[in-house]
Amino acid sequence: SAVISQKPSRDICQRGTSLTIQCQVDSQVTMMFWYRQQPGQSLTLIATANQGSEATYESGFVIDKFPISRPNLTFSTLTVSNMSPEDSSIYLCSAHQNPGVVTEAFFGQGTRLTVV
Amino acid sequence: GENVEQHPSTLSVQEGDSAVIKCTYSDSASNYFPWYKQELGKRPQLIIDIRSNVGEKKDQRIAVTLNKTAKHFSLHITETQPEDSAVYFCAGRGPNRGSTLGRLYFGRGTQLTVWP
Repeated sequence: SAVISQKPSRDICQRGTSLTIQCQVDSQVTMMFWYRQQPGQSLTLIATANQGSEATYESGFVIDKFPISRPNLTFSTLTVSNMSPEDSSIYLCSAHQNPGVVTEAFFGQGTRLTVV
Repeated sequence: GENVEQHPSTLSVQEGDSAVIKCTYSDSASNYFPWYKQELGKRPQLIIDIRSNVGEKKDQRIAVTLNKTAKHFSLHITETQPEDSAVYFCAGRGPNRGSTLGRLYFGRGTQLTVWP
């Protein structure tokens, strides 16, 4: 299985600022996904990052707030813009090889974001 | 889209006993059902998965069963150990269509505590 390196692992940010989270995969993957996980809660999908096209956002999440880049098949970034304390959460990236073939999805180690 | 329900939300067992976590899904076209274990502060880790053409799968102390007719699947852990204590998430992979093909729909999670 592939390995995802996600950084930063944690950050404390001032409200109104932006943070960019990076995920690097050690092999080429078709689909990458960005999740948010509140403490004690399940994973909520923010968006699907497609290489070569715009990301697809889930209901309640918009590109202006969470812009995503996917410049190649091994890398993606999520930016949390104009942060408020409500954005404090764990952000996780995920990937799997080929949606046409049933394969395991694996996760980065997560970014714990605290907005003060 | 797919809707995955998971029960119970918390489960406490004595070391050596068995633990069962149950999930239901709504979309009969879903074809892949992984289970993830997430320890505190760690990323979700795949522990077992099952595809829709299989009814049961075992891996040492862990087994998953799938009933496609009833649209439910279950995780069984036998001879539980304190190190099995974690949050367990079930997920279903929706049908391959649209720009989010391959995304996972997660249950709400089960906090399993194994008492020594």
